Amino acid sequence: QQQVKQSPQSLIVQKGGISIINCAYENTAFDYFPWYQQFPGKGPALLIAIRPDVSEKKEGRFTISFNKSAKQFSLHIMDSQPGDSATYFCAASNRGADGLTFGKGTHLIIQP
Amino acid sequence: GAVVSQHPSRVICKSGTSVKIECRSLDFQATTMFWYRQFPKQSLMLMATSNEGSKATYEQGVEKDKFLINHASLTLSTLTVTSAHPEDSSFYICSAPSGGSNNEQFFGPGTRLTVL
Repeated sequence: QQQVKQSPQSLIVQKGGISIINCAYENTAFDYFPWYQQFPGKGPALLIAIRPDVSEKKEGRFTISFNKSAKQFSLHIMDSQPGDSATYFCAASNRGADGLTFGKGTHLIIQP
Repeated sequence: GAVVSQHPSRVICKSGTSVKIECRSLDFQATTMFWYRQFPKQSLMLMATSNEGSKATYEQGVEKDKFLINHASLTLSTLTVTSAHPEDSSFYICSAPSGGSNNEQFFGPGTRLTVL
């Protein structure tokens, strides 16, 4: 059973555009929702994370939107740059101190 | 953010041998660390939770006798892949929660294991 569903699997965006990646979860016990960026051969790097008591969180060009009733959350990357080209994973956990359940990932390509 | 290191970054071994991977939290203490496995072009799958001072807890389908975990101190967890076989070839990554109000999880750089 896949507890965190991520879409799209791949995404191509023009430089300067907005990249949007969506995730949906099933387990209502999840209360911590991070996004990670991973480059080939490297470990995932934490981008931004949100807890369900807020509907939106912004850090620089990255914004998480969270819809608790729909059990969905999304990552928006504003003014996308070629250096943003990477694989992005959404994840979720219970209490934030437990192991993470990851989505399948989105391969993002920013075209110059 | 908090820094997590892993050693070695890459290891190649013969089938039937054992390989030890170290995970260290460099600037914070972690009573809990996590081990994940990632196959090429796939997502990360949680293998086990490493607990300082007690036994590790394993996810369903992960053989505890094959993947030995020892949380030796508040900054070190080790994963030993015993009697490795080619199907164990993968990218192994550890993470640790940083503690505090956010308790964000930070990942190590990963270890690429290739079993010949």
